[in-house]
Amino acid sequence: ETGVTQTPRHLVMGMTNKKSLKCEQHLGHNAMYWYKQSAKKPLELMFVYSLEERVENNSVPSRFSPECPNSSHLFLHLHTLQPEDSALYLCASSQDPRVAGPTDTQYFGPGTRLTVL
Amino acid sequence: QQPVQSPQAVILREGEDAVINCSSSKALYSVHWYRQKHGEAPVFLMILLKGGEQKGHEKISASFNEKKQQSSLYLTASQLSYSGTYFCGTVTFQGAQKLVFGQGTRLTINP
Repeated sequence: ETGVTQTPRHLVMGMTNKKSLKCEQHLGHNAMYWYKQSAKKPLELMFVYSLEERVENNSVPSRFSPECPNSSHLFLHLHTLQPEDSALYLCASSQDPRVAGPTDTQYFGPGTRLTVL
Repeated sequence: QQPVQSPQAVILREGEDAVINCSSSKALYSVHWYRQKHGEAPVFLMILLKGGEQKGHEKISASFNEKKQQSSLYLTASQLSYSGTYFCGTVTFQGAQKLVFGQGTRLTINP
């Protein structure tokens, strides 16, 4: 596997379910990101991790819970979601913005298309 | 603060040229350009760092005007494979090294 991978690619869940999204990066990067992409909206940054430490949480509801056990893996745990949470969830990784500064380039995974019924 | 892209959508015939603009209300450190095809991951195209800098990727090039706080992406002699949504991401001096994306420009190339 190369680059950034995400599983599952598609997920349908009810509002009472609990599920998790997984992201893995094979680029040797130290930072990982979760984004939400809804139709006709810009990419919304949700969480940022640098060296497994959460460095940003953009006012995301607590029904989304991230986990970063090491610099190669990132999870997004989902519970009691709402239909408006249906979207494409993208994971990205980068060298580390605190080190690379404005040249830090993010590389994206293919995303998980989430539908909440 | 989110950069503003224009136009929101472009429809071209194969072989025509297009320009996509990305403007910021704040002074820019860098501009990053991505292309996302339907159902796929955004793919990094290029990064621009200096005022007046220009870069190229295939027949796609970009410029960065530091004074105007904007960047433009130029697609020359467009090919069908150029279709997709183009995003600019900006890092501003006041933005604490944070990359913020524009709303995207949807480009459709017809044969």
